[in-house]
Amino acid sequence: EIVMTQSPVTLSVSPGERATLSCRASQSVNINLAWYQQKPGQAPRLLIYGASTRDTGIPARFSGSGSGTEFTLTISSLQSEDFAVYYCQQYNNWPLTFGGGTKVEIK
Amino acid sequence: QVQLVESGGGVVQPGGSLRLSCAASGFTSSSYGTHWVRQAPGKGLEWVAFIWYDGSNENYADSVKGRFTVSRDNSKNTLYLQMNSLRGEDTAVYYCAKDRLATYTFDYWGQGALVTVSS
Repeated sequence: EIVMTQSPVTLSVSPGERATLSCRASQSVNINLAWYQQKPGQAPRLLIYGASTRDTGIPARFSGSGSGTEFTLTISSLQSEDFAVYYCQQYNNWPLTFGGGTKVEIK
Repeated sequence: QVQLVESGGGVVQPGGSLRLSCAASGFTSSSYGTHWVRQAPGKGLEWVAFIWYDGSNENYADSVKGRFTVSRDNSKNTLYLQMNSLRGEDTAVYYCAKDRLATYTFDYWGQGALVTVSS
């Protein structure tokens, strides 16, 4: 099983600032990496797939990068609606696995 | 619009069984694989199971293999998760999620169904 490790666990950021979230895989997942956003009481929402492709309707301030074992989600200028928990997920191998999440909170 | 609506959650004793349903609408559900993903209270996401668009193949997480069975009835646009031999660690919100074009990512999710395993 591929283990996904996200860091930091919590990220405190002021509105308008940039947020950088990291995700590391225990072995290469190529670019088969997705990012999700989850707000309290809601289902997750797909943001990014293929490591860097935004899903339909996702604002351009969200960007993804990386390949192999190291990935980054960047939110260029945090808006109030972006404060949430973010999960990475690999789909290169079965079983599909998620990282533990990064909570982006208001500083 | 795409909608997934889970039902069948509730409280069950350890060792018991429960069946979740997921009704799909707003898209041709028979053309897409579907997943179950769960989230224990206050915890992260865990993928549980996947069934191909035509029901011809399934994949399971090791934690549920042999106890859970995923199935679908495309004539009813409905997905099922039969859960047997339930344990306390199965307590979670269970989401059904549509597969995004056979990529094994999840582009639409239901609102979730809470399953509580407790005596």
